Amino acid sequence: EVQLVESGGGLVQPGGSLRLSCAASGFTFSNYWMTWVRQAPGKGLEWVASIKRDGSEQYYVDSMKGRFTISRDNARNSLYLQMNNLRAEDTAMYYCAKEEEAAAGLLDNWGQGTLVTVSS
Amino acid sequence: DVVMTQSPLSLPVTLGQPASISCRSSRSLVYIDGKTYLNWFQQRPGQSPRRLIYYVSNRDSGVPDRFSGSGSGTDFTLEISRVEAEDIGVYYCMQGTHWPLTFGGGTKVEIK
Repeated sequence: EVQLVESGGGLVQPGGSLRLSCAASGFTFSNYWMTWVRQAPGKGLEWVASIKRDGSEQYYVDSMKGRFTISRDNARNSLYLQMNNLRAEDTAMYYCAKEEEAAAGLLDNWGQGTLVTVSS
Repeated sequence: DVVMTQSPLSLPVTLGQPASISCRSSRSLVYIDGKTYLNWFQQRPGQSPRRLIYYVSNRDSGVPDRFSGSGSGTDFTLEISRVEAEDIGVYYCMQGTHWPLTFGGGTKVEIK
């Protein structure tokens, strides 16, 4: 059974940093693209970033490019999202999602999410 | 960016009756590999999103057959043949053909 468990969320001041983690199990992690999606309170879903199986390609939404970095450690079956210079509008639930082997854009399994609150 | 427009925003339904959600994209979602990366997700209250449909019309394992997806190019539809109480929640379409990946704004399905 595919399991994705996010962690690392919390309360952070504007301008601060956080590193989110997603622990994967139940599938061969290194064979799949992975994606982060976020959801602001009471709002819809917003794609954040995706990363290729071997980490050689990363894609970001423009508004987060330069502030957020997606990475992975295939030896640890883990996905990460480093978030810097956080703003109030980054407050959201952050989900990691498993993709397909050959491409992103299918998000077939999701974690339970980790909540990030940016506030002074 | 590809804009995904869902309608209606809110869909009051009667249990046992059909329901239909429309999703329109601002560009064709047919990729160079010939596949159309159009997904539908369900988000029940207080839960993570769950994929229901991928490649326009393929139902995920465990998804009841009362859910069906159809469409092509830029126009897509999610249909529920007979709404049940467990179907209450917000439904999102999402395109995975073009970067950045984009979601529709969501359709809230609620009981009349």
